[in-house]
Amino acid sequence: ETGVTQTPRHLVMGMTNKKSLKCEQHLGHNAMYWYKQSAKKPLELMFVYSLEERVENNSVPSRFSPECPNSSHLFLHLHTLQPEDSALYLCASSSSTDTQYFGPGTRLTVL
Amino acid sequence: GENVEQHPSTLSVQEGDSAVIKCTYSDSASNYFPWYKQELGKRPQLIIDIRSNVGEKKDQRIAVTLNKTAKHFSLHITETQPEDSAVYFCAARSQAGTALIFGKGTTLSVSS
Repeated sequence: ETGVTQTPRHLVMGMTNKKSLKCEQHLGHNAMYWYKQSAKKPLELMFVYSLEERVENNSVPSRFSPECPNSSHLFLHLHTLQPEDSALYLCASSSSTDTQYFGPGTRLTVL
Repeated sequence: GENVEQHPSTLSVQEGDSAVIKCTYSDSASNYFPWYKQELGKRPQLIIDIRSNVGEKKDQRIAVTLNKTAKHFSLHITETQPEDSAVYFCAARSQAGTALIFGKGTTLSVSS
């Protein structure tokens, strides 16, 4: 269960705050993903990075900004979020043809 | 892009009964179909997967079938147990991309 880790596990922020979510994978994978999980849209793909380059952005608002400095680390920078952005944010990683392994998620609450 | 539909959204069975969850996908180029189980408060975890060159795969009480012509695949759980209670997600990945696209999930409740 320690292959993909995420910090923090819980985050409460105001709408004017700036915060970052961190994901780290120890599996030697070359692709990493951010998913948003909410009651309305379970497991909604946000961003895909392959070999540290963003290859997919599913029309996510600019208040979410991803960063992938190397193949083991993925960040999601948050600023001026809305209450409807409250959700579980899941990171995942995979090798190019293999399945995705998920981290434990960050439970985000926007006040 | 790929779209995955999953049914039913909720499923209640008695312990020992079988449970079947069905998914359809839109992209005929999709070639990989995993199923994930997510227990309350935990991360989604892979329970079984199937690739497009195989029609059926079994692992103990769990089996997955794939019909490429009809573009649908199903999860079968036999002899259900209370610990099978969870949310199950199907997913598909197109040959052109790397990201999994998920169905909306099925909440399975197994009562003893």
